[in-house]
Amino acid sequence: DGGITQSPKYLFRKEGQNVTLSCEQNLNHDAMYWYRQDPGQGLRLIYYSQIVNDFQKGDIAEGYSVSREKKESFPLTVTSAQKNPTAFYLCASSTGPYNEQFFGPGTRLTVL
Amino acid sequence: DAKTTQPNSMESNEEEPVHLPCNHSTISGTDYIHWYRQLPSQGPEYVIHGLTSNVNNRMASLAIAEDRKSSTLILHRATLRDAAVYYCILRHRMDSNYQLIWGAGTKLIIKP
Repeated sequence: DGGITQSPKYLFRKEGQNVTLSCEQNLNHDAMYWYRQDPGQGLRLIYYSQIVNDFQKGDIAEGYSVSREKKESFPLTVTSAQKNPTAFYLCASSTGPYNEQFFGPGTRLTVL
Repeated sequence: DAKTTQPNSMESNEEEPVHLPCNHSTISGTDYIHWYRQLPSQGPEYVIHGLTSNVNNRMASLAIAEDRKSSTLILHRATLRDAAVYYCILRHRMDSNYQLIWGAGTKLIIKP
């Protein structure tokens, strides 16, 4: 089955620790995205990548970092510089910037 | 800034049509209108998109006003599985890239 996987589903970390969220897709999509969602809100774009070895900041990139070394993988690191990291994080991919985005199941990060 | 405005919530009876409104008075000529829906604790799912003409697919219809400042997502016969948060989104061009600008969405409640 083709799709996007995110792991883990739930993640707990202590304040001040960096944490990396995994996102893998086997849809052969060029573009991948990371969004953050807070309770009762829409999605906000953190980073996106249109092609391997290239990525761009979204609206709320501060305190986050990404890499795109392989087409199928786009991990997101939440650093200690992110002031309010507790949120629901969603990864998505698409064949290109004009096309529908396919979303993973999300990772709920709680920083204690 | 490109943005959308939707009612916070709507109720409908099962097996009746549902019309979900969206205002986007600041839409620019190149912005596409996208709709996604999201079930609790899941990633969003693409529903439909359009530019100027009305669009139909197996999930829904999209009616776009002639001045493009508003649109309506139509579910022809709602079922309990259609209960979700529906997001009206503008696909907005920023520099050489495109981004999805998400609003807060409409929570659709389906009564049996």
